[in-house]
Amino acid sequence: EEQLVESGGGLVQPGGSLRLSCAASGFTFTNYAMIWVRQGPGKGLEWVSGISYRGDNTYIADSVKGRFTISRDNSRNTLDLQMNSLRAEDTALYYCAKARGGGSVWDAVDLWGHGTMVTVSS
Amino acid sequence: EIVMTQSPATLSVSPGERATLSCRASQSLDNNLAWYQQKPGQAPRLLIYGASTRATGIPARFSGSGSGTEFTLTISSLQSEDFAIYYCQQYNNWPPGTFGQGTKLEIK
Repeated sequence: EEQLVESGGGLVQPGGSLRLSCAASGFTFTNYAMIWVRQGPGKGLEWVSGISYRGDNTYIADSVKGRFTISRDNSRNTLDLQMNSLRAEDTALYYCAKARGGGSVWDAVDLWGHGTMVTVSS
Repeated sequence: EIVMTQSPATLSVSPGERATLSCRASQSLDNNLAWYQQKPGQAPRLLIYGASTRATGIPARFSGSGSGTEFTLTISSLQSEDFAIYYCQQYNNWPPGTFGQGTKLEIK
């Protein structure tokens, strides 16, 4: 069974850092681009960042550019999101997701994790 | 930057009836448009990609249409499990995965 499991969320003060991780299983991780999507409390979905299947192309939304970094370890089937200089508006449920068709982030998403909650508050 | 606009924000429909949800893009997408369903406390689920192709396991009552800047998700004969929030997403222009703000489909 294809599965994505996020971890690393929690409560952090404004200006602080967190590193989210996503463990993938049940599919050939190295064949697919991966994406982070977030959802603020009671809000809609926001695309945050994506990385190609080999990790050589990364994309970051303007709202988090310069603060968040996406990476992947294809030897361990894991996806990470390093989040620095966190702000209250970064408070959200962060989903790890898999691109449907293959190696490019320019694609629909066909597999989602359950999400990990990040709360930025003093 | 591309903007995705969904309408209406809330749609009230009776079970067994048809629901039509709209999504408009500020730039042409060709057919690089997806639809997702999200129920409370759950992750989104892919329904449609390529504007009109149903994802694996999605019932035939869900159909997508449109191209360019105007897209539609139609749910024929609504079932109780279909009442949820629906999002469109473009993956043609920067940024790669812009979502619409969602349409809440509620029971009338």
